[in-house]
Amino acid sequence: AQRVTQPEKLLSVFKGAPVELKCNYSYSGSPELFWYVQYSRQRLQLLLRHISRESIKGFTADLNKGETSFHLKKPFAQEEDSAMYYCALRPGTNAGKSTFGDGTTLTVKP
Amino acid sequence: DTGVSQNPRHKITKRGQNVTFRCDPISEHNRLYWYRQTLGQGPEFLTYFQNEAQLEKSRLLSDRFSAERPKGSFSTLEIQRTEQGDSAMYLCASNSPRSGANVLTFGAGSRLTVL
Repeated sequence: AQRVTQPEKLLSVFKGAPVELKCNYSYSGSPELFWYVQYSRQRLQLLLRHISRESIKGFTADLNKGETSFHLKKPFAQEEDSAMYYCALRPGTNAGKSTFGDGTTLTVKP
Repeated sequence: DTGVSQNPRHKITKRGQNVTFRCDPISEHNRLYWYRQTLGQGPEFLTYFQNEAQLEKSRLLSDRFSAERPKGSFSTLEIQRTEQGDSAMYLCASNSPRSGANVLTFGAGSRLTVL
């Protein structure tokens, strides 16, 4: 079975501070990992995926297979980063079902 | 194409009534997914289609829930004899793994309130 755990429901940082949103997963194979974001009054959208190994809006995430983690990081948080963040796992590129964590609400204070 | 479209956006119904939600995916996407989200939880997988075929259905989906995608385009999710526990946001998403559009594109959701 696949499972995604986001241990922090709420995370609050000051503008300019580093931020790390934690994601741990449980899956026996080689999954794809994603971060989705939902800004206030907007729909859920992709932020980044581990395959792309890219930085989006200053965020990066590294897949650590040894620790089964996919933490999201940004060195200098901005107020516009305040949103709900969901980590998601998909068993493979062609797999159907994605499993989501319960999300972390990030608040960046001025 | 304005993305994934869901209707209605809000539905309030009395317990025991039937409700139906519709999802229009991005036209070139061959896969369509239904998720349910309750307060404080992440999206929970319900079912998905590849073209008109329903390929997977969650065990959490009771017999009161049925989804269709008759022509491989739009999909409907029907809930019969609604219960208060069905109150949630129902999310639709689509993608197309073969064409490289492999990430999920979500609709705005249909919020159901069962009184």
